[in-house]
Amino acid sequence: DQQVKQNSPSLSVQEGRISILNCDYTNSMFDYFLWYKKYPAEGPTFLISISSIKDKNEDGRFTVFLNKSAKHLSLHIVPSQPGDSAVYFCAASYIIQGAQKLVFGQGTRLTINP
Amino acid sequence: GAGVSQSPSNKVTEKGKDVELRCDPISGHTALYWYRQSLGQGLEFLIYFQGNSAPDKSGLPSDRFSAERTGGSVSTLTIQRTQQEDSAVYLCASSQLSSGRLGAQYFGPGTRLTVL
Repeated sequence: DQQVKQNSPSLSVQEGRISILNCDYTNSMFDYFLWYKKYPAEGPTFLISISSIKDKNEDGRFTVFLNKSAKHLSLHIVPSQPGDSAVYFCAASYIIQGAQKLVFGQGTRLTINP
Repeated sequence: GAGVSQSPSNKVTEKGKDVELRCDPISGHTALYWYRQSLGQGLEFLIYFQGNSAPDKSGLPSDRFSAERTGGSVSTLTIQRTQQEDSAVYLCASSQLSSGRLGAQYFGPGTRLTVL
């Protein structure tokens, strides 16, 4: 049972354009959402997060949107740069018995073409 | 400051052997997590340590897997009698309580385990 889904395994975008990465979740208990970026042979790096009480959070070129009614979040990168080429994981968090649990999607490989 | 470190970076072992993977979390982080990522898959939660509380072992796939955290800092993940399906990248992450909840998890570079 995949509680967090990234339905696009890969995405290719031209440099300078907008990259939009999507993520869907099923569990209403999730109250905090995060995006991570992963380069080959490195661990995931935290990118941006959003609380369920918000619908948008922006940090420089990165914006995360949350649509709670649709159980959908997206990451927008604009303008896209070659260094953004990586695998992006969305993660959803909830607290259970005092512990934070993170559930990750399968990842989307983003390629930025010069 | 120093990030999460893991050792070894790569481990090749024969089926049936035991392996130990080590994680040094960020200093002061009270929470420590182990995940694994199999080829083409997302990150699979294995085990979670928070302070002095009993660990959450709900993600361990079998009783061949165990982990400990000594002194609230360094953690070791042990896999006994390794099988080929154990081949994966094993990732450790740590985080700190912030504003009443745990903040973002910071990951180490991972240990790539290959079981022949």
